[in-house]
Amino acid sequence: GDQVEQSPSALSLHEGTDSALRCNFTTTMRSVQWFRQNSRGSLISLFYLASGTKENGRLKSAFDSKERRYSTLHIRDAQLEDSGTYFCAAEETGKLTFGDGTVLTVKP
Amino acid sequence: EAAVTQSPRNKVAVTGGKVTLSCNQTNNHNNMYWYRQDTGHGLRLIHYSYGAGSTEKGDIPDGYKASRPSQENFSLILELATPSQTSVYFCASGGGGDAETLYFGSGTRLTVL
Repeated sequence: GDQVEQSPSALSLHEGTDSALRCNFTTTMRSVQWFRQNSRGSLISLFYLASGTKENGRLKSAFDSKERRYSTLHIRDAQLEDSGTYFCAAEETGKLTFGDGTVLTVKP
Repeated sequence: EAAVTQSPRNKVAVTGGKVTLSCNQTNNHNNMYWYRQDTGHGLRLIHYSYGAGSTEKGDIPDGYKASRPSQENFSLILELATPSQTSVYFCASGGGGDAETLYFGSGTRLTVL
C-alpha cells in the first residue's frame, strides 16, 4: 500500500546467513505486525509490536519507538523453511494497512 | 490456537451472479476483517466489524457488502460479481486493543467468469 513501503521486494539468501527486511511508513503508526505467507497461501502472524523489540528464535523485530515511522525484521542463520513472502502491516486508526511484501528465497 | 475457518475454499461464479463468502471464528474475538489479495500485492481491506451487528467500510468496499450476524460469523457478499473481483479473499479475526494479533483463515480463491 501507499502508506507502507516494504523493501526489498525480493531477497535471496544462502542457508546460514543473516539479513533484514524493512518497512517504512509515510505517517506515524500506532503498531506494526509482521506475517509470513507460505507457498500454500497461509498467513502466519510472526510479531505484533506497539513499541520496542521482540525476538522469537532466529527472528527479531523492532519498531522505531520515537517517530514510529519504520520497522525491521531480522532473520539470523536463515534456513530453507524461512522461505516465503513476508508482509508487514501497520495500524494507524484501527485498520491495518499491508505492504506489498518481500519474497524471500533461502537456498542451500 | 486461534481458529478461523473460511468457506468455500474455491468458488467459480458468473458475471452478474451473487456470491457469499463465509467466515467463522471460534476465539470469541470482537474484530473480524475481510481482505483481498491480488498477485504480487499485499492484502487490501474490504470490510471489517467490531462485533455482532456492526460492519465498517475498509479501503476498497465498492461492490461488496458485509454481514456480522453473530460474534462467530462474518460474511462477505458480492451482489453482482464482476471479473475484476477475481482474487483470493482472506478473513481474519483479532481480539482488539493492544493485543490485536490477527489470525487468518486459509483463504477463498474466487474466479468470476
